[in-house]
Parts: sequence; C-alpha cells; structure tokens
Amino acid sequence: GAVVSQHPSRVICKSGTSVKIECRSLDFQATTMFWYRQFPKQSLMLMATSNEGSKATYEQGVEKDKFLINHASLTLSTLTVTSAHPEDSSFYICSASPASVAYEQYFGPGTRLTVT
Amino acid sequence: EDQVTQSPEALRLQEGESSSLNCSYTVSGLRGLFWYRQDPGKGPEFLFTLYSAGEEKEKERLKATLTKKESFLHITAPKPEDSATYLCAVHHEDISNFGNEKLTFGTGTRLTIIP
Repeated sequence: GAVVSQHPSRVICKSGTSVKIECRSLDFQATTMFWYRQFPKQSLMLMATSNEGSKATYEQGVEKDKFLINHASLTLSTLTVTSAHPEDSSFYICSASPASVAYEQYFGPGTRLTVT
Repeated sequence: EDQVTQSPEALRLQEGESSSLNCSYTVSGLRGLFWYRQDPGKGPEFLFTLYSAGEEKEKERLKATLTKKESFLHITAPKPEDSATYLCAVHHEDISNFGNEKLTFGTGTRLTIIP
C-alpha cells in the first residue's frame, strides 16, 4: 500500500520550454502533496506544499511563477517548470500524505530533469 | 533555530557488522520522527514513524528508537542490499509561522555494506 507514482521519470528539454511533471497517489487519497528538489549528494529541499483544491504554499526563495503547482484532485498533483533554464536541472521528487496533518509522507520515484 | 543533524555522514561496514545511525534534533513541539531509505536516483522509501520518547519499531534487520533529543537506527547483521542513504525527518511546530507545522530533514547517512 501507499504507492506514489511520478511521470516522466526522465525528461530532457531545451532552454525556454516548459515541462510538466505528474505525481499520483495510486492506492490512497492524498490530502496533502509535497514537491522537493534534490541536488547530488544533498538532502531533500522542500519547494512547496499543496492541499487538494487550494493554492500551494511555497517555501521561501521558490519562485511561484516559475514552479506552478496544481493539486486538482485527491490523487493527482502536477509541477510545471515554466521557461526552464539549465540551472533548473535537478532531481524533482513528490510525496503524498494520507492525512492533512500527520506528515507521514510516501515518496514518488523522482523525475530527473535536464535542461539543455 | 530548528535543526536536525545526522551522523555519521558516511559509514562503511563489513557484512554482518552491526552498528547504529544517529539523528539528533533541536525543534519546537515534536510531532513525530520519520526514517526513510533512499537508493541512488530514486525517491525515499518510508521505513518508520516514531511519536514519543521510548518508542521502538522494528523491520527485518532495522530497529528505530526515539529519545527526547535523538533517534537511533540500529542495523543488525547488515547485508550488502542494506547499502543506501538513510534519512531522518522531524515533524514539528513551525515557530516562525505560528500555528503551522513543518517537516525538517537531516542530510542523511550514506551506508555502505561491504561483502
């Protein structure tokens, strides 16, 4: 149980284009979903928290207009990296929590984004 | 300032050599502590949740314990397949944002088990 999928697993895009990453909870309803970024050999950096049907809460320093998050249903959240640049290249991981306050998170397998 | 520190940063063990990983924390209003395992290029895999001092949880060769200031992940007779980065994360009050809560991750311990 508690399986989270992400799609795509890898994406290469050209500078200036936009990329959408999907995160789905497959066997539970996720009240809250989280988006992280991870650089090589570093820990997870929380980008934003989203609750179904409401606007995402972004961490300090994360550009809302660049990283668009939509939590349209209890099983789906999307992250769109708009006008991507090489410095946006990273490993993006989503997680989902079955309860809005428990913070017990189940992670997706991650998406490797490379911007050329 | 909220802080979660994991030690050691890296640990190499012979197969069968038991050891412990440490996660110490300085936070306000602890709600829970989580342990995850992360393999290279993959998302973290949930292992345990601990809520109160004195609590212990076990899964195969792993046992997690919690005190008021730290948590230990004990690995008994590890195998090469236990090699991974182990992350702890603390769910706590967010004193900079009254009434809210947050999750603070440690930087992880990279464990290598040598056959």
